[in-house]
Amino acid sequence: DIQMTQSPASLSASLGETVTIECRASEDIYSNLAWYQQKPGNSPQLLIYDANSLADGVPSRFSGSGSGTQYSLKINSLQSEDVASYFCQQYNNYPFTFGSGTKLEIK
Amino acid sequence: QIQLVQSGPELKKPGESVKISCKASGYTFTDYAMHWVKQVPGKGLKWMGWINTYTGKPTYADDFKGRFVFSLEASASTANLQISNLKNEDTANVFCARSSYYSSPGMDYWGQGVMVTVSS
Repeated sequence: DIQMTQSPASLSASLGETVTIECRASEDIYSNLAWYQQKPGNSPQLLIYDANSLADGVPSRFSGSGSGTQYSLKINSLQSEDVASYFCQQYNNYPFTFGSGTKLEIK
Repeated sequence: QIQLVQSGPELKKPGESVKISCKASGYTFTDYAMHWVKQVPGKGLKWMGWINTYTGKPTYADDFKGRFVFSLEASASTANLQISNLKNEDTANVFCARSSYYSSPGMDYWGQGVMVTVSS
């Protein structure tokens, strides 16, 4: 199975700041990567697919980048509504696997 | 609008079975795969597998082979998950989520989740 190592586990930032979350795959996943946001008590929501494509309706302050085994999610101009947990997921190989998550809080 | 509506919370005893449903609306059911994802409260996400809604063929992650069965009622645009011989470690929120066959398999719509509690 492909292991997805996500960092940091938690993050505290101020409104308006830019934050970056990283995900490292245990082997090349050829940009077959998605990022999800999960707000407390809610279902996950797709933010990014194919490593850098913005899902429908997602604000442009979210962006994804990376290739090979290293990927990142950047959130520009942090808003209060961005408080959530964020997960990466690879879909290059079965079984699809998720990172362990990053909990984002506002300072 | 596109919706995946799952059945209600379940409280079961060890050894019992449970069947969870996921009813899709707002799109052509057979044009999208259906995935199942497990989340222990306060923890991360674990992919359980998926079912091809066109052929009915299921694919299970290794940890979900044996006691778990994905099925369809295609005429009702519904995907089901049955778990038999329930164990305490099956206690979790279980989500259904769809993904496209024709573009990225990112899961773009999710059900609201079903909390399955297994306790004696």
